[in-house]
Amino acid sequence: DSGVTQTPKHLITATGQRVTLRCSPRSGDLSVYWYQQSLDQGLQFLIQYYNGEERAKGNILERFSAQQFPDLHSELNLSSLELGDSALYFCASSPIWTSGGADEQFFGPGTRLTVL
Amino acid sequence: GENVEQHPSTLSVQEGDSAVIKCTYSDSASNYFPWYKQELGKRPQLIIDIRSNVGEKKDQRIAVTLNKTAKHFSLHITETQPEDSAVYFCAASEETSYDKVIFGPGTSLSVIP
Repeated sequence: DSGVTQTPKHLITATGQRVTLRCSPRSGDLSVYWYQQSLDQGLQFLIQYYNGEERAKGNILERFSAQQFPDLHSELNLSSLELGDSALYFCASSPIWTSGGADEQFFGPGTRLTVL
Repeated sequence: GENVEQHPSTLSVQEGDSAVIKCTYSDSASNYFPWYKQELGKRPQLIIDIRSNVGEKKDQRIAVTLNKTAKHFSLHITETQPEDSAVYFCAASEETSYDKVIFGPGTSLSVIP
C-alpha cells in the first residue's frame, strides 16, 4: 500500500458523459500527478499540482481538467467522453527532495475507466 | 522538453540469466533517473533511482548505471527470477519543471522458468 488512494476503482460510462476521478495523496506530500495508461501503453503525463496550484501540464486534452483542493486531495474531471478515453488513470504523489527537485512518486491503485 | 527512449520494448530471458534495459534522454539538465516496475494489473513502484552526482548504484540484484556525457542510463538485473517478470519504466527529470519526470515507453520483461 503506497498511502495514495483513488476512487472509484472502476467506472463504466457512456460516450458524451462526464466523470470525476478522485485522489488523496500520502500524508505530507504536496505534489500530485495524474497519468493516463491505455492498454499496453506507457504512462502519459497529464498534469501536476503542487500545494493547490497547477505546476506542469502534459498532453492533457481540453476536455479534461483537474484541481487540487486545500486539503491536498485532487480531482480529475473528464468530459464529453469518447471511446478512446477508456484507460487506467493513475494518480501519484511525491515529496519534494530536500535539496529541491524530483523524488520518488508513489502511485495510487488507479481508476479503470471504460467508455461504452 | 525532455524525451526518454527505452530499449528493448520486450525482453525474454531464462531464469538465472541477466537482463539489461537501456534508456536515453535528451535534456542535459536532467539530474534524477528513477526506474519503476509495474506488475500486471498493479501500480508502478519505484525499484531504484540514481542522481546525476553518482555513476552507479546497486541494491541486491538490481543496479543502475548512468553516463551523463552520453545521456544514457541502464538497469541491470542479475540472477533473474520469475517474479521479475513485469513492465519496467525508466524516467528522467525535466529541467523546466524540476520535480516532474518523463517516463520512457516501457520494457516488458519475461523470465522463463
